[in-house]
Amino acid sequence: DAGVIQSPRHEVTEMGQEVTLRCKPISGHDYLFWYRQTMMRGLELLIYFNNNVPIDDSGMPEDRFSAKMPNASFSTLKIQPSEPRDSAVYFCASRTGQGGSGNTIYFGEGSWLTVV
Amino acid sequence: DAKTTQPPSMDCAEGRAANLPCNHSTISGNEYVYWYRQIHSQGPQYIIHGLKNNETNEMASLIITEDRKSSTLILPHATLRDTAVYYCIVSRDRGSTLGRLYFGRGTQLTVWP
Repeated sequence: DAGVIQSPRHEVTEMGQEVTLRCKPISGHDYLFWYRQTMMRGLELLIYFNNNVPIDDSGMPEDRFSAKMPNASFSTLKIQPSEPRDSAVYFCASRTGQGGSGNTIYFGEGSWLTVV
Repeated sequence: DAKTTQPPSMDCAEGRAANLPCNHSTISGNEYVYWYRQIHSQGPQYIIHGLKNNETNEMASLIITEDRKSSTLILPHATLRDTAVYYCIVSRDRGSTLGRLYFGRGTQLTVWP
């Protein structure tokens, strides 16, 4: 099976520009997560979806960040306008909705964002 | 979810067993212990998880103390490719906190040739 697929893998953009990160979860997974990783703050959960519906966006840093999941196989994380402090690795992850043994989260390879 | 405490770094000789400890003294009865690792420049990778009993898979073994307040991840024959940050996480596997894995800083394991 293909894993979680993210694009772009690397992006360098100028401050003020719009950035869109994309994610394709593992087929059949009901939950999708967006994480951000920086040296200062480590790995933080930004938002997660269940069956395409945002459940908890309390980790989204501010209004410049938005996330959507128009269907079960696609999600976007958008930053508009971008700022240098948004430079980080953004990970998408997914899991099934079933509890119990073997219920784990699978991460993509990340999108490395640099805002200059 | 309960928080965990891990040493910031450890090292291990190649071919030897790596034993990574984790304290989770406030764990509750319905919380699992999960281990993930993150190799440099890659996404976190699931290793193993358990509730009460010791667990073993092709990657590692997980030993959970009887009172469940601590656990140890064992890599039986560490290789250079096992050099990574290892995260011990305590979380329920269902309900409103599903997926809210608190990764903390983990343990940087360095395997030496």
